[in-house]
Amino acid sequence: KNQVEQSPQSLIILEGKNCTLQCNYTVSPFSNLRWYKQDTGRGPVSLTIMTFSENTKSNGRYTATLDADTKQSSLHITASQLSDSASYICVVSLFRGSTLGRLYFGRGTQLTVWP
Amino acid sequence: GAGVSQSPSNKVTEKGKDVELRCDPISGHTALYWYRQSLGQGLEFLIYFQGNSAPDKSGLPSDRFSAERTGGSVSTLTIQRTQQEDSAVYLCASSLGTSGRGPYEQYFGPGTRLTVT
Repeated sequence: KNQVEQSPQSLIILEGKNCTLQCNYTVSPFSNLRWYKQDTGRGPVSLTIMTFSENTKSNGRYTATLDADTKQSSLHITASQLSDSASYICVVSLFRGSTLGRLYFGRGTQLTVWP
Repeated sequence: GAGVSQSPSNKVTEKGKDVELRCDPISGHTALYWYRQSLGQGLEFLIYFQGNSAPDKSGLPSDRFSAERTGGSVSTLTIQRTQQEDSAVYLCASSLGTSGRGPYEQYFGPGTRLTVT
C-alpha cells in the first residue's frame, strides 16, 4: 500500500533554533518527493522537489534530504523564524513513465515557533 | 502575474444539493489538479488534467464527484447530492506540465471551503 508518514505530528521550537522533520514513504515505484509549507487558511507552497537521483536540495534556510534506498526524507530548518510556523507536508509522486503519477500526501507536521 | 484563483471562497449548502467549484489556473499552465483537505486530515488527491483530458480520475471518492476542463483553462469540480462528509477545503493547483523535463512545481489556489449542513 502506497503511504507517506510524517513525524513528528507537531513540534514547538524557540525562535532561532533548528529543527528536522521526517518523512517515510512506501510509494513505489517512486518518481519524486516534494516538501510544501502550508500556512493556516492558505494553499500549500512548494519548498523543494527532489527526484530519485538527488540526495539534497536547499531553498534558503530549508534543506531537504532524500534517501531513496531507505525511502526516507527529512526537511531541516535552520535559524527558525516566527514566520516558519506552519504545516509542512511531504508529497511523493508515483512513477508513471514520463507523465505525472498519482500524488500521495503525508498528514503534515505542524510547526510552531515561539519567540 | 496572477496566481491560481478559486471561487467561491466559501460555500454552504444543504445536504442533497449539487455544488460547482471553479478553478482558474495560471495562464499558460497546461496541468491542473484538484485536491481535498478535510479538517485535521492531510491533502487528498482527487483528479488532474493535462490539457482538457483527465488521465487519472482514481482519486475521486465516488461517482457523485466529477470534473471537467474546457479550453485548457478553467476547470469545474461538481459534487452531486452533497453529503456532510463532503465538507472540506477543496484546493486547486496548476503547473506548466506533467511530462517531459518535469517534475513541475505546482502552484496552489486559496481553496474553496465547502460546508454541507
